[in-house]
Amino acid sequence: NAGVTQTPKFQVLKTGQSMTLQCAQDMNHEYMSWYRQDPGMGLRLIHYSVGAGITDQGEVPNGYNVSRSTTEDFPLRLLSAAPSQTSVYFCASSVLPGQAYTEAFFGQGTRLTVV
Amino acid sequence: AQSVTQLGSHVSVSEGALVLLRCNYSSSVPPYLFWYVQYPNQGLQLLLKYTTGATLVKGINGFEAEFKKSETSFHLTKPSAHMSDAAEYFCAVSDRRRGDKLIFGTGTRLQVFP
Repeated sequence: NAGVTQTPKFQVLKTGQSMTLQCAQDMNHEYMSWYRQDPGMGLRLIHYSVGAGITDQGEVPNGYNVSRSTTEDFPLRLLSAAPSQTSVYFCASSVLPGQAYTEAFFGQGTRLTVV
Repeated sequence: AQSVTQLGSHVSVSEGALVLLRCNYSSSVPPYLFWYVQYPNQGLQLLLKYTTGATLVKGINGFEAEFKKSETSFHLTKPSAHMSDAAEYFCAVSDRRRGDKLIFGTGTRLQVFP
């Protein structure tokens, strides 16, 4: 039972570089989201998706892009990395909102450092 | 808009002592409430949840929380702390009508001393 899988686990980028954080889930969940975790700030929502082809912005979307071409995958793209994007990134998935309660399942996280 | 406030970014207890982690929420509609736990270098794991029904909910590892609508609180407790409880704990709220967009508190790091 893989659940939510994030890759890579660690990454160091230079300012201005671009990269994609991968997220895949095998639970057939329609709802997927990306959070960033920073000390003293908890988890903040970056982008989310309610199904293939549908994405929307969360609380802190600037500097990030997402797409959802399949139910399973929800990659997060950093277009031009900045030191302010140094953080731990978590991907989460759950059943479609509105269906009873939505327990979110989280990946193990990607620790990103931008120098 | 919904929000969560966790009082105390760090809580320290002795092994065997009561654990109390505080969470207050703000929501204009009946909420779903959650507590998640994060062990070092790991993702978040659901500890317990309140959706409907009984206001005292029990979770894993002996933790429980009580939903108090009049106090807009959802405090997490455990009667006797264990060394393995040392972790960061997050309270979260979502809109019961839409059931989406988990909004997290800033977290409370629990230390347990022998």
